[in-house]
Amino acid sequence: GESVGLHLPTLSVQEGDNSIINCAYSNSASDYFIWYKQESGKGPQFIIDIRSNMDKRQGQRVTVLLNKTVKHLSLQIAATQPGDSAVYFCAENLDVQGAQKLVFGQGTRLTINP
Amino acid sequence: DSGVTQTPKHLITATGQRVTLRCSPRSGDLSVYWYQQSLDQGLQFLIQYYNGEERAKGNILERFSAQQFPDLHSELNLSSLELGDSALYFCASSLTGTSANEQFFGPGTRLTVL
Repeated sequence: GESVGLHLPTLSVQEGDNSIINCAYSNSASDYFIWYKQESGKGPQFIIDIRSNMDKRQGQRVTVLLNKTVKHLSLQIAATQPGDSAVYFCAENLDVQGAQKLVFGQGTRLTINP
Repeated sequence: DSGVTQTPKHLITATGQRVTLRCSPRSGDLSVYWYQQSLDQGLQFLIQYYNGEERAKGNILERFSAQQFPDLHSELNLSSLELGDSALYFCASSLTGTSANEQFFGPGTRLTVL
């Protein structure tokens, strides 16, 4: 069925360290994946995306890795800062008869320790 | 600020009532999506509209309906409200709805059903 899940519900890291947030997806037909960040009281904010024809994509301080063999997605945040504290969601895109449907994971709460 | 606006920010109502949530997409975006975020279900896709027409349906109850108007703003109507409908409702917009592209989320409407 359609499901996206996260391995860890919470992650606590030291400021300045790198963070890795993992995500498993179940639909091998998914062609597009997105990571969103949601701060308290706000809507999800786009961080980075990757298409299924790629296995790595880098942004500013963030890298997304896609392993289609094991249907695994990860978000790496370099030199974590206090402002990175939030809930992070992965989402997979399913193309349903030409329409885009995002299926979100449950989310991982990232906490930064000073 | 994503450019997507939602009103009202908070809504408190009683069981059995009907409410309307409003969303204005980013300038130029033709597609609008509605999501429900609750503690036990996470972020769930409800429905998508593209240029005034329904494009895709997710886990939307029959008590809920939506529409997109000629000026591209959208409304989500929730009727015969139940306690379990209490949640955050997010609207997102994207440039098109026919291929994978970034969705921009609004700040959400928090609905409380008493």
